[in-house]
Amino acid sequence: DTGVSQDPRHKITKRGQNVTFRCDPISEHNRLYWYRQTLGQGPEFLTYFQNEAQLEKSRLLSDRFSAERPKGSFSTLEIQRTEQGDSAMYLCASSLLAGATDTQYFGPGTRLTVL
Amino acid sequence: DAKTTQPPSMDCAEGRAANLPCNHSTISGNEYVYWYRQIHSQGPQYIIHGLKNNETNEMASLIITEDRKSSTLILPHATLRDTAVYYCIVVNAGGTSYGKLTFGQGTILTVHP
Repeated sequence: DTGVSQDPRHKITKRGQNVTFRCDPISEHNRLYWYRQTLGQGPEFLTYFQNEAQLEKSRLLSDRFSAERPKGSFSTLEIQRTEQGDSAMYLCASSLLAGATDTQYFGPGTRLTVL
Repeated sequence: DAKTTQPPSMDCAEGRAANLPCNHSTISGNEYVYWYRQIHSQGPQYIIHGLKNNETNEMASLIITEDRKSSTLILPHATLRDTAVYYCIVVNAGGTSYGKLTFGQGTILTVHP
């Protein structure tokens, strides 16, 4: 059983650089979520896709952040002009909406450090 | 989504049952109770969920009170590997509503030998 995978697992970058993260959901899952988690806090919702459509974006997702899910399969999250405050764990989750429930399964996360 | 209240930390002896409480007094009729846990530096792991009936799976049991205002997650025989942060989350799931998870601070469960 292949779970949610994320790449890279760790990323160190300098302030002002652009970074891109990839998430591969569980096969056949039609929903994909991005969350961000800072040290000592629970994950916070960033955005969500159903198939290829991005249906919701949190106000946490500034203009420097963009997410895509072409063809409704993998997703990418890009951060432009990174800031030190972007340092966090970026988590991806996927789910299959079936009946009345929508259970999300998380990947291992990408830890971003902005110097 | 309804908010939840959990104790910040709990201890449990290895081999004993761990009972983690959660209050969700403002839960509405179409909201589910989900439990996730997060072991240090890993992504959250789904444990169990329920609407109003008690649920059991290979990992845990979920007991929801009749008025649905609180619930308890039970790990029947805790091991050291169960040491983690446990999150109780109320979710408006299903239909056209997406299941955005709103994580609180959770309960840090420490299982000791």
